[in-house]
Amino acid sequence: DAGVIQSPRHEVTEMGQEVTLRCKPISGHDYLFWYRQTMMRGLELLIYFNNNVPIDDSGMPEDRFSAKMPNASFSTLKIQPSEPRDSAVYFCASSRGQPQHFGDGTRLSIL
Amino acid sequence: RKEVEQDPGPFNVPEGATVAFNCTYSNSASQSFFWYRQDCRKEPKLLMSVYSSGNEDGRFTAQLNRASQYISLLIRDSKLSDSATYLCVVNIINGNQFYFGTGTSLTVIP
Repeated sequence: DAGVIQSPRHEVTEMGQEVTLRCKPISGHDYLFWYRQTMMRGLELLIYFNNNVPIDDSGMPEDRFSAKMPNASFSTLKIQPSEPRDSAVYFCASSRGQPQHFGDGTRLSIL
Repeated sequence: RKEVEQDPGPFNVPEGATVAFNCTYSNSASQSFFWYRQDCRKEPKLLMSVYSSGNEDGRFTAQLNRASQYISLLIRDSKLSDSATYLCVVNIINGNQFYFGTGTSLTVIP
């Protein structure tokens, strides 16, 4: 079975540019989570969805971040405009109940 | 106060050693508990769930102490391949709020 699929694996872009990260959860999973991981702050939950509906976005750092889940098999996390401090690894995870299964992550570098 | 706290380490142990990690959680309503393993530049992967009565999976033993609000992971006969960061995870509402510790780094030395 396919796991959680994220794209791109790596993204390098200049500050001010729009960045879109994509995630395909495991089929049948009804929860989807977006995390950000840095050395300083560890793994931080940004937002999670249940049945495509955002449940808790309190972890989204600022209005520059937005996330959508238009259907059960696709979600995006968008940063506009991007800043160097957004550089991190962004993970998507999905679950049906528990536990969570993580994608490979997107390594984002903002120059 | 953080929901989940771990000693970040690093723990450097020789092959064959026994090593234990503890993790404390602050919310007494926590329902489910897990240990994840994360290799360098990889995603976190489920290592094992933690059950109230304690559970074992080969060289790994997980325990839960609800009264003191901590979970532990014991690794016996450490292998080089056990080198990784170990994250404890607490779930407050079924399927919903997962809280990750910052991880404990383990290096097993030949």
